[in-house]
Amino acid sequence: AQSVTQPDIHITVSEGASLELRCNYSYGATPYLFWYVQSPGQGLQLLLKYFSGDTLVQGIKGFEAEFKRSQSSFNLRKPSVHWSDAAEYFCAVGSYNTDKLIFGTGTRLQVFP
Amino acid sequence: GAVVSQHPSRVICKSGTSVKIECRSLDFQATTMFWYRQFPKQSLMLMATSNEGSKATYEQGVEKDKFLINHASLTLSTLTVTSAHPEDSSFYICSARVSGGGNTIYFGEGSWLTVV
Repeated sequence: AQSVTQPDIHITVSEGASLELRCNYSYGATPYLFWYVQSPGQGLQLLLKYFSGDTLVQGIKGFEAEFKRSQSSFNLRKPSVHWSDAAEYFCAVGSYNTDKLIFGTGTRLQVFP
Repeated sequence: GAVVSQHPSRVICKSGTSVKIECRSLDFQATTMFWYRQFPKQSLMLMATSNEGSKATYEQGVEKDKFLINHASLTLSTLTVTSAHPEDSSFYICSARVSGGGNTIYFGEGSWLTVV
C-alpha cells in the first residue's frame, strides 16, 4: 500500500534550536518526495522536493531534507528554527507518471521564544 | 514563482444550496489540476483530478454528482458543491502542475466552506 507516515503529530522547540521532522514512505514506484508547509487557514507552500540526484536537497527558508532509500525516509531539517517557522508541515510522495500526491498526516511545529 | 489562486477564500452557504469554488493558475498553463479536501487538524485527501477538456477523475468514495468539477480552460478549474450539507463544511484546496515544468506542483491558498 502507498502511504506516508509522519510519526510526530506535534513538536515543540525553542527558537534557535535545531529541528528534524520525520517522514517515512511506502511506495511501489520510484518516489518523488515533497515537503510542504501550511500556516493556519492558508494553502500549502512548497519547501523542497526530491526527484533524483543528490540525496540532500536544499529548500527555501533554510530547510533541507535527506532522502534515504534504505530507510524509506525523507526527513526535514533546519539547523536553527525561527519563531516564524511555527506551522503545519506535510510530507508527500508521488511518482513521475502521476501528479497525485499522497500526504502524511502532518506535524505541527510550535516554537517557543 | 508560479501562483495558483482560489476564490472565494471563505464562503458560507445555506444547507441545500450550491457553491462554486474557482482555482486559477495565474502565470502558467495547467492541463491538470487537483482538488483536495482537508478537515480540521487532518491531512489533505485527494478528491479528484481535473483534466482540461475532459471529465474529471474522482477518487474512490467521492460523489461525482455532488462535487462537480469543470476544467474549461488551461488556467481555470471549478469545483461546485451541490446541495451542500453541514458535513460538507471543510477546507478545499486545489493544486496544479506546471505543464512542461517538471513535477513541481503548486497549491492554491484554499477555500473555507461553511454550510449552515
